[in-house]
Amino acid sequence: KNQVEQSPQSLIILEGKNCTLQCNYTVSPFSNLRWYKQDTGRGPVSLTIMTFSENTKSNGRYTATLDADTKQSSLHITASQLSDSASYICVVSAEKGGGNKLTFGTGTQLKVEL
Amino acid sequence: SAVISQKPSRDICQRGTSLTIQCQVDSQVTMMFWYRQQPGQSLTLIATANQGSEATYESGFVIDKFPISRPNLTFSTLTVSNMSPEDSSIYLCSVEGRLYNEQFFGPGTRLTVL
Repeated sequence: KNQVEQSPQSLIILEGKNCTLQCNYTVSPFSNLRWYKQDTGRGPVSLTIMTFSENTKSNGRYTATLDADTKQSSLHITASQLSDSASYICVVSAEKGGGNKLTFGTGTQLKVEL
Repeated sequence: SAVISQKPSRDICQRGTSLTIQCQVDSQVTMMFWYRQQPGQSLTLIATANQGSEATYESGFVIDKFPISRPNLTFSTLTVSNMSPEDSSIYLCSVEGRLYNEQFFGPGTRLTVL
């Protein structure tokens, strides 16, 4: 069964600090891995997408890594801001019949405080 | 990217009634997806809606409970029928982008059933 597990479940950090969120997956056949940011009361917004051949991708202060051998990914947030407070969701896409089937993690709830 | 709007943004409904959620996209798309996000949970795919054909439902979801319409390439509706408190969730509309089948999400409809 395809699964995506994220850790930690929740995290509180001080503004300006860095943090790293983890994602482990058992999804096959692997197509790509995505990180989304979901603000409270909003739909998820894509941060990064990585295919099998990519092991790092950045989007501003967000840097995602992918180790396809160990089936792990991380999302590193640099110099956190109050607006980074949100749920971060790891999503892994499996190839299925010419399309993609997504498996969602339960998310890491990040709170950035002064 | 695609801009997606949903109506209503939130609603409080009585047990046994039905609610229809509308999803409008700013461009023509082949497939539209409906997701449910229960409190503290990850997103779960309800069904995939193709224009001109019946929606394809995921395991655990049935057409009688969640009828879907897809009258054209920019619009879809999801009805939550005969609601119970267990249906209290955020319902999200989503479409695929062209790159890596990236998915874009609407802002969601927050439904509370009393």
